[in-house]
Amino acid sequence: NAGVMQNPRHLVRRRGQEARLRCSPMKGHSHVYWYRQLPEEGLKFMVYLQKENIIDESGMPKERFSAEFPKEGPSILRIQQVVRGDSAAYFCASSPLGRLNTEAFFGQGTRLTVV
Amino acid sequence: AQKITQTQPGMFVQEKEAVTLDCTYDTSDPSYGLFWYKQPSSGEMIFLIYQGSYDQQNATEGRYSLNFQKARKSANLVISASQLGDSAMYFCAMREPLGGTGGGNKLTFGTGTQLKVEL
Repeated sequence: NAGVMQNPRHLVRRRGQEARLRCSPMKGHSHVYWYRQLPEEGLKFMVYLQKENIIDESGMPKERFSAEFPKEGPSILRIQQVVRGDSAAYFCASSPLGRLNTEAFFGQGTRLTVV
Repeated sequence: AQKITQTQPGMFVQEKEAVTLDCTYDTSDPSYGLFWYKQPSSGEMIFLIYQGSYDQQNATEGRYSLNFQKARKSANLVISASQLGDSAMYFCAMREPLGGTGGGNKLTFGTGTQLKVEL
């Protein structure tokens, strides 16, 4: 759904660089979820955030990955020292409450390519 | 154990025919939701249809309907009158609790079914 905005759509990074992916939720939504889609796979949950709080990061790799959702501005997924295995599509979804409602919309995704 | 199983990696259907994409799920939570998404080659995730575990009627949205059989834990997507533009990857997903102290839910996805609509 166009209401969830992600940028950039495509991002190319060399191994060892940092990648910053941005997600602006739908208007009025204060909850953001990040998912990763590796090639030929379905989406896998990474992290769930509310404004200024990480609620659940059980799906995040233990190292190099971090996420934030500041009081002002978009949610950021940061990947430090990227490796080839980080190449994937990263999607975010938003909701007004902690419950993904009957219509869970995703942004258009950011396709990260590590060269 | 697989929470969401899509057993058809690929399906073919003739234009204007109906097609059923299979999805079975596994949960012990009495309250859950089931979603279907379409992912065309351009990559975006397009929401198609939702079924709540307590919904009495099968969900329908235009040419999409969900054949919800709760006892069998299946939530098959039926696309009627297939069109060339329906060619895409289709994912079934289930909403389930995150289980942590912070509450919240997540979607767990199946591995998808690649649908090809032919003339």
